Amino acid sequence: DSGVTQTPKHLITATGQRVTLRCSPRSGDLSVYWYQQSLDQGLQFLIQYYNGEERAKGNILERFSAQQFPDLHSELNLSSLELGDSALYFCASSVGTGTLNSPLHFGNGTRLTVT
Amino acid sequence: DQQVKQNSPSLSVQEGRISILNCDYTNSMFDYFLWYKKYPAEGPTFLISISSIKDKNEDGRFTVFLNKSAKHLSLHIVPSQPGDSAVYFCAASDRVNNDMRFGAGTRLTVKP
Repeated sequence: DSGVTQTPKHLITATGQRVTLRCSPRSGDLSVYWYQQSLDQGLQFLIQYYNGEERAKGNILERFSAQQFPDLHSELNLSSLELGDSALYFCASSVGTGTLNSPLHFGNGTRLTVT
Repeated sequence: DQQVKQNSPSLSVQEGRISILNCDYTNSMFDYFLWYKKYPAEGPTFLISISSIKDKNEDGRFTVFLNKSAKHLSLHIVPSQPGDSAVYFCAASDRVNNDMRFGAGTRLTVKP
């Protein structure tokens, strides 16, 4: 158990809809990262927050947004969903601001299916 | 943007033998490298890491080798066990960016 909690585990929705994925980091971790894993692909970095502030941005679409709340949990909002957004979405957390010398701890992911 | 590449989608090894998983990177700014292991229906879990100031790091049956000039790293598992069967991801990060880049993964199967 990594200590990172993601909800829901599964989500099925229709194209054009909007969903929210939730993540609670490990106790004591201030950074939250979001990754997308499409079928047979690697983990694509989306965005990172540290203590409530956006810290780094990867290949995140404009239809996607995220935030980190004062209690350090984070939400990833996906809107105007398309079939290609179907993927596993992972949240990870770490203690510090960067990944240098600090491994990430991953949740079990949310599987999003867009029909 | 494939800055971290794992060119072997799968690898099959006999129990007790050595498993060697390879990873190449293109960004010379990367200075911290990690291997993660992933079982089905679970998130990746950290396995072992290496800083760019080293060329080898060992932890039990797992050893990571780094060849900076070739921009190549490898994970050796010896002896391999059936429980090692999983997808292994190579990852890299640098001081400038706060993200961590992952390869596409290699599925290791260890046969009894």
